[in-house]
Formats: sequence, structure tokens, C-alpha cells
Amino acid sequence: EAQVTQNPRYLITVTGKKLTVTCSQNMNHEYMSWYRQDPGLGLRQIYYSMNVEVTDKGDVPEGYKVSRKEKRNFPLILESPSPNQTSLYFCASKTGGQGGETDTQYFGPGTRLTVL
Amino acid sequence: DAKTTQPPSMDCAEGRAANLPCNHSTISGNEYVYWYRQIHSQGPQYIIHGLKNNETNEMASLIITEDRKSSTLILPHATLRDTAVYYCIVRLNSGYALNFGKGTSLLVTP
Repeated sequence: EAQVTQNPRYLITVTGKKLTVTCSQNMNHEYMSWYRQDPGLGLRQIYYSMNVEVTDKGDVPEGYKVSRKEKRNFPLILESPSPNQTSLYFCASKTGGQGGETDTQYFGPGTRLTVL
Repeated sequence: DAKTTQPPSMDCAEGRAANLPCNHSTISGNEYVYWYRQIHSQGPQYIIHGLKNNETNEMASLIITEDRKSSTLILPHATLRDTAVYYCIVRLNSGYALNFGKGTSLLVTP
């Protein structure tokens, strides 16, 4: 089954304790992306990757890191989490290219992160 | 960027057709209309997309007006599980980010 998986689904942590949220897709997609969703602010893009070893900042990259060493994986790293990073996080993927049929994006189930 | 306008909320009786409108008067000739939905706190789900012609798949139908300035997503027989926020999207940001906007919150009632 084609899917995007995220782990963990729920995480409660404390300020400053480094954490990683994993994202994996089995569709051989070139493009992957991370969003965060907050009440009243909608979904905002954090980072995206056009392909292996190619990453770039989205709209809200501060406090986050990503890596893309393999095509299927795109982990989100919080080196020193803070309470303002408490949010619902989604990973997404799509085929490469822009426009038309290639813009269909597939989302993971979400990771609910609480930073105390 | 092409902007979309959707009603903030709609109700629909279970078993009836749900017709969700979207205005996108500044859409460019090569921009597709995409619809996604998000059931409470789940990952957004792709529904359907189209350029000019009407489209239908197993989930929904998409009707695009001839001038392409508006479209309607039709759920032919709404069920309680169709209660969700529905987003109409016509432009990606430079990072291919989807502009979800506020969408339409559809409530399907028994």
C-alpha cells in the first residue's frame, strides 16, 4: 500500500531535549516536505526536499533541521525543542516536477508533539 | 498567486449530495484546481484535481466553469465520515507548499 509513515505519532518531551521525528514514503517520490499545523494558523511549511541531499527552508524553518540521505526518508530534527514548537506535524511527499498531474501530495498521519 | 475563496462552513444531510463551491477568479491558464480534505487532526487527503474538464473519481466529482473562475466539488452521497475541512487549492508556493487557506468545514448530519 502506498503510504507516508511518521513516527512517533505522539510525543511529550521537555525543553532542550533533542528529538527526531521520522518520515518515510514507499512511493519513490523525489519531493518530501514537513508542515506544522497550529490553531488559527493553518498548515505552514517548515522544510522541503526536492531530492536526495537537496533541502531548503519553507516558511517557518527556525528551530528545525532536516536531512535527506535516502530517497524514502526525511527526518525532522529538533535540536533544542521549545514550548512554541508544540504542534501537530505532517510529512508529505509527491513525485518530482511542478504543475499538473505532479502536484498531488500524499500526507502522513501526523505527529502530535508537546514540549513542556 | 491565485487566491481561492470558500464558504467557511456548510451542512449536509447524510445521503444527500454535498456541493462545495470555490472561487478562483485569478487562476492562470495552466494552473490546476486541486481539492484536499482533512478529517479532524488527520493528515490532509487528496481528493481530486482538474484543469478544464469536469472530473470524476471514486471519491468525488469536480465541476469547473467554462471560464475557470470557479469550481464545485461534489460528494454525491455524503456520509458521516465525510465530515471534514475541505480545501480548494490552485497554486503552489515556490517550495511546492500547498496553500491550504481556511477551507470549508463540512458537517454531515444524520
